[in-house]
Amino acid sequence: GAGVSQSPSNKVTEKGKDVELRCDPISGHTALYWYRQSLGQGLEFLIYFQGNSAPDKSGLPSDRFSAERTGGSVSTLTIQRTQQEDSAVYLCASSLTLAGGPYEQYFGPGTRLTVT
Amino acid sequence: AQKITQTQPGMFVQEKEAVTLDCTYDTSDPSYGLFWYKQPSSGEMIFLIYQGSYDQQNATEGRYSLNFQKARKSANLVISASQLGDSAMYFCAMRVRQGAQKLVFGQGTRLTINP
Repeated sequence: GAGVSQSPSNKVTEKGKDVELRCDPISGHTALYWYRQSLGQGLEFLIYFQGNSAPDKSGLPSDRFSAERTGGSVSTLTIQRTQQEDSAVYLCASSLTLAGGPYEQYFGPGTRLTVT
Repeated sequence: AQKITQTQPGMFVQEKEAVTLDCTYDTSDPSYGLFWYKQPSSGEMIFLIYQGSYDQQNATEGRYSLNFQKARKSANLVISASQLGDSAMYFCAMRVRQGAQKLVFGQGTRLTINP
């Protein structure tokens, strides 16, 4: 079946502009996550959605970052007034949340954001 | 706080040899899960193997096995009979607490398989 998809694959923007990154999770996956990966680094958790519960926003680095998930499916990560330090690959993942399961996360190909 | 440490920034191995990638973790939570992911140059994260903190046996998935030593808080990935296609970044990650889905990642190890 189809995996996690993200768009755009690449985004170049000027400092101070707003950007929106989109994620389509695997059909039937109730959990959705956003991570950020800076060059040569590991992944940094940003935000997590689970069904209709309030999202876990504990990883968002500043109030310029926000995310929403509509209809329990597609998610959009918005970065307002982008800064050069926002340049990174933004990865989306989804998973099932069956009781007792390992809840492995399936990742999309990522959006490479470059702020000039 | 939870932390994952991968002490090998890079590893070079001859094709067909076995390789062990190190991972140590730190958590005070008795319930946790450990994951290994592979990230080829294409950038996508590929799930390889999972070990739960209460699992009695080491996890295995094909050529991948996880050497889980709970007392030492280590979860090393073993790849047997390495192949050229195994060249990639490998990340160890941990999820703590049942129901808490966030993964904490290590810095990764870049594995290069030489022909």
